[in-house]
Amino acid sequence: EVQLVQSGAEVKKPGESLKISCKGSGYSFTSYWIGWVRQMPGKGLEWMGIIYPGDSDTRYSPSFQGQVTISADKSISTAYLQWSSLKASDTAMYYCARLSEMATPSTPFFDYWGQGTLVTVSS
Amino acid sequence: QSVLTQPPSVSAAPGQKVTISCSGSSSNIGNNYVSWYQQLPGTAPKLLIYDNNKRPSGIPDRFSGSKSGTSATLGITGLQTGDEADYYCGTWDSSLSAAVFGGGTQLTVL
Repeated sequence: EVQLVQSGAEVKKPGESLKISCKGSGYSFTSYWIGWVRQMPGKGLEWMGIIYPGDSDTRYSPSFQGQVTISADKSISTAYLQWSSLKASDTAMYYCARLSEMATPSTPFFDYWGQGTLVTVSS
Repeated sequence: QSVLTQPPSVSAAPGQKVTISCSGSSSNIGNNYVSWYQQLPGTAPKLLIYDNNKRPSGIPDRFSGSKSGTSATLGITGLQTGDEADYYCGTWDSSLSAAVFGGGTQLTVL
């Protein structure tokens, strides 16, 4: 069974750093792109970027380029999303999701999703 | 403001049919495949439709997708109370070089 299990909720202060994780199981982790999607409170979905764990090829949405870092450790089948200096506006639910084998980075759609990690940034 | 435009809400009675529209442009829907997701309250999104009109395994044929020009439509027949959710369209935007989603449509089954 394909599963993406994300790390737990985080409460941070502005300016702090954070790294959240997404562990894949039940499939060949290195053979599928993994993406991150932001959902701010009461709002819609926003595509942040994707990574191919096999070779760490990473693509960012222009809206998130330079704001976050996406990485992966294929030895433990885990993808990461990190911030070096959080802002209150980073408060959101963050989902990781697997790009379908029938999709490509330029025709992306996600067939499996993690449960989400709620990040709250408040002073 | 989302790149793809969806109605904020739609409603229909149980057993009826509803359609949800998703309007874009030539840089996104007009030249790329569209997917649709269902997000039940408090849960992660779930893929309903990909490549405009294909259903993943396990998705009932009550759900259908279509595309014409720069717009796409999700159709749901035989509405059930369990279909109450937010629905999102998504596609690639060649100008932005990024995937984009619609703002979401909240479906109420009266």
